[in-house]
Amino acid sequence: GAGVSQSPSNKVTEKGKDVELRCDPISGHTALYWYRQSLGQGLEFLIYFQGNSAPDKSGLPSDRFSAERTGGSVSTLTIQRTQQEDSAVYLCASRRGGTRTDTQYFGPGTRLTVL
Amino acid sequence: TQLLEQSPQFLSIQEGENLTVYCNSSSVFSSLQWYRQEPGEGPVLLVTVVTGGEVKKLKRLTFQFGDARKDSSLHITAAQPGDTGLYLCAGINSGYSTLTFGKGTMLLVSP
Repeated sequence: GAGVSQSPSNKVTEKGKDVELRCDPISGHTALYWYRQSLGQGLEFLIYFQGNSAPDKSGLPSDRFSAERTGGSVSTLTIQRTQQEDSAVYLCASRRGGTRTDTQYFGPGTRLTVL
Repeated sequence: TQLLEQSPQFLSIQEGENLTVYCNSSSVFSSLQWYRQEPGEGPVLLVTVVTGGEVKKLKRLTFQFGDARKDSSLHITAAQPGDTGLYLCAGINSGYSTLTFGKGTMLLVSP
């Protein structure tokens, strides 16, 4: 079956512009995560959606970052007024259920470059 | 803040050699996962260890969870070029819904 997909695969933008990154999780997966991976920094948790519950936004680095998940499926991560330090690979992962040890399936990521 | 330290950061070896990478924390985790990530791809789960002292084997890979559930190791026997990648450990705590990732160990296995 299809895995987690993300689009675009690469995005180059100018400082100050807004960007939207999309994640299509595995069908039927109720949990969805966004992470940021910078060179030498590992994976940094951004936001977590579980079913119809309020999202856990505790990892968002500033109010320029927001995310939504429509219909419990597709998710969009929006970064407003991008800065050069936002350059990173943004990874999305989905998980079947509410058990923390269930496998998270990652997408290939979107590489964002802010000039 | 819970932190996971991985060592070494980089490891370059020849095919056939053995190696061990480490994942350490001052915090206790209820379970721990190991992932491998190849260039241009997302991380892929290798194993989850849950019980202190647990050892799991996956072909040539042996994973161990420390007795105190604060550390873990990954041992690869007779490494092959296909083992090349970034190895990440991630801790799970019952008080949190999210994973805490280490920065990873980049492994390069040359033919």
